[in-house]
Amino acid sequence: KQEVTQIPAALSVPEGENLVLNCSFTDSAIYNLQWFRQDPGKGLTSLLLIQSSQREQTSGRLNASLDKSSGRSTLYIAASQPGDSATYLCAVDSNYQLIWGAGTKLIIKP
Amino acid sequence: GAVVSQHPSWVICKSGTSVKIECRSLDFQATTMFWYRQFPKQSLMLMATSNEGSKATYEQGVEKDKFLINHASLTLSTLTVTSAHPEDSSFYICSAEEGQGGNEQFFGPGTRLTVL
Repeated sequence: KQEVTQIPAALSVPEGENLVLNCSFTDSAIYNLQWFRQDPGKGLTSLLLIQSSQREQTSGRLNASLDKSSGRSTLYIAASQPGDSATYLCAVDSNYQLIWGAGTKLIIKP
Repeated sequence: GAVVSQHPSWVICKSGTSVKIECRSLDFQATTMFWYRQFPKQSLMLMATSNEGSKATYEQGVEKDKFLINHASLTLSTLTVTSAHPEDSSFYICSAEEGQGGNEQFFGPGTRLTVL
């Protein structure tokens, strides 16, 4: 059974710092892995999607990596800003279902 | 954490038929539910937001008459794809939020729809 874990559960850092969010999964047989952002009271915003054949994807200040063999993905945020404060979720597309991590709540202090 | 289920997990239907997808919050009351759609190799797109007992709010470009959303109870929302066509083939995902505004959302496993 696929399980997805995100560490840390919460993170608070000063503005301007680079940071890394972690996502691990137990079964390497995945179709893709996605990172999302969730703002309070709003729907999800899709950030990056990494296909199983890819190792990383980049969008602006965000870079996501995928290591299927070790069951890990990281989301790197460069030069963090207060507007980056949100909950970040990773989800693995496995066996035709999305398996969700519990999320990392990120707070960027001005 | 709280559990959200979807039924069916996958469905294949003929063009022109209607398909209903259920989203249930199993151990909490969901005042707000969100419906998303994801085409292959593309990002998740928000389709609509539904609040229990009121009409759903649709995102721009989503046809409300084609994608009927009913949120009649605090534990169940349904999405009906009416007169489905092959271009409606997609992965449909719901999420549920307890209360309104600022509360944690919980996501369902998704429903894969294939229209022949």
